[in-house]
Amino acid sequence: GENVEQHPSTLSVQEGDSAVIKCTYSDSASNYFPWYKQELGKGPQLIIDIRSNVGEKKDQRIAVTLNKTAKHFSLHITETQPEDSAVYFCAASREGYQKVTFGIGTKLQVIP
Amino acid sequence: DVKVTQSSRYLVKRTGEKVFLECVQDMDHENMFWYRQDPGLGLRLIYFSYDVKMKEKGDIPEGYSVSREKKERFSLILESASTNQTSMYLCASSLVRFAGNEQFFGPGTRLTVL
Repeated sequence: GENVEQHPSTLSVQEGDSAVIKCTYSDSASNYFPWYKQELGKGPQLIIDIRSNVGEKKDQRIAVTLNKTAKHFSLHITETQPEDSAVYFCAASREGYQKVTFGIGTKLQVIP
Repeated sequence: DVKVTQSSRYLVKRTGEKVFLECVQDMDHENMFWYRQDPGLGLRLIYFSYDVKMKEKGDIPEGYSVSREKKERFSLILESASTNQTSMYLCASSLVRFAGNEQFFGPGTRLTVL
C-alpha cells in the first residue's frame, strides 16, 4: 500500500519568514495530493491540493509543488503569520479510491 | 457549509466496556471515515464506508467495528475497550465515492480508557 513520509515533524519560524514542509510517497499510481491544516481543538481542514497533471499550485501565501519523477511534494508558506501556527498533514491518494494516506504531521510554530 | 459532528468531545471508559462513537454529516456525502490520531503516528484509517451498510477495513481495523445504517450516520464500536485504544478519534466525510475529493472532518473525540 501507499506510504507517505513527512518532515520535519516540528518547525519553528519567525513571523514573516517562509516555511517549507516536505513529503514523499511510495505508490507511483497516486495522483491526488491534498494538504490539511489542523488548528488546536479542531479537525483537519483542507487548505490546498494538487493533482498529478500539474507541477505547482498557488493560493495567496501558500503553494504546493509536485515532482512525480522523484515522488515528492512540498508545501510552501510565505510571509508566515501567527495564525499559521498549526499541525499540517500531507496526504496521497489515487483517483478511483476512497482511501487517503496521511503523513505523520508537522507542527508549525510561528514566533511573533 | 458541510458540518460533521461527533457525539462527544471527551469520553472516559473502563477496560472491557463497549464503546460507541457516533458521527453525523449533514451534506449527503457518500463516503465516511474513521481515523485515530496519535502523536508521531499521524492519522491512521480504521474503517471507511462508501454507502449505507457497506464498509471496508482501513489500516488498523483490529479491535474495532463500524455500522452505517443511514447515509448520514457512521458509528465506530469498540467491542471491549483496552488501554491501547486511548486516542483521539476523528470522523470525516467526502462527497462522492471516488477519491480526489476533499474530506471534511469533525472536531474529534478524545477517548481515555482506564
